[in-house]
Amino acid sequence: GIQVEQSPPDLILQEGANSTLRCNFSDSVNNLQWFHQNPWGQLINLFYIPSGTKQNGRLSATTVATERYSLLYISSSQTTDSGVYFCAGFTNQGAQKLVFGQGTRLTINP
Amino acid sequence: DSGVTQTPKHLITATGQRVTLRCSPRSGDLSVYWYQQSLDQGLQFLIQYYNGEERAKGNILERFSAQQFPDLHSELNLSSLELGDSALYFCASSHDRGRYGYTFGSGTRLTVV
Repeated sequence: GIQVEQSPPDLILQEGANSTLRCNFSDSVNNLQWFHQNPWGQLINLFYIPSGTKQNGRLSATTVATERYSLLYISSSQTTDSGVYFCAGFTNQGAQKLVFGQGTRLTINP
Repeated sequence: DSGVTQTPKHLITATGQRVTLRCSPRSGDLSVYWYQQSLDQGLQFLIQYYNGEERAKGNILERFSAQQFPDLHSELNLSSLELGDSALYFCASSHDRGRYGYTFGSGTRLTVV
């Protein structure tokens, strides 16, 4: 079954808006990470967040491991926040590896 | 700069050809991972090396191979290239076996024509 599922698949917002991206993950996945892929294709590690809450500037993330979900909050969005946001978790099923969700494509319009 | 270096950044080649992608991990990282990102498949795990040894294999085609050298840099070899191999190929590294976080390089964009 699907190990990492993200929602929504697409999100279009005006500059200054706040957003919440969700990641649900299966029992076989843990040690969540959030990545941002910018329009040039670079994958930037935002948070390593197996549980609890972390904040970095306008971004924060919360993982509730017991309920198998993680949330990424972006406040006061800027056009440079545009891109695809991926969550990924570590799995021992088959090969030990990081498995990625399908991503949320965020577009921030000026 | 993430500390993971991938070369080349862009590569255009013809069908049937062979290419080599190179990755230098962050200083001190022993594990190297290769991922393929194509439009319709998302980010797919290909293979992992840890301190020179292959540790895990994912959806890697038989036409593809990889190795990690004593200095810990890694190369991904893609042969008999097909149009469908066009993708972004990422390398990532971690200090351990990846449980505590990966750092990705900037990727190599391969276009097969």
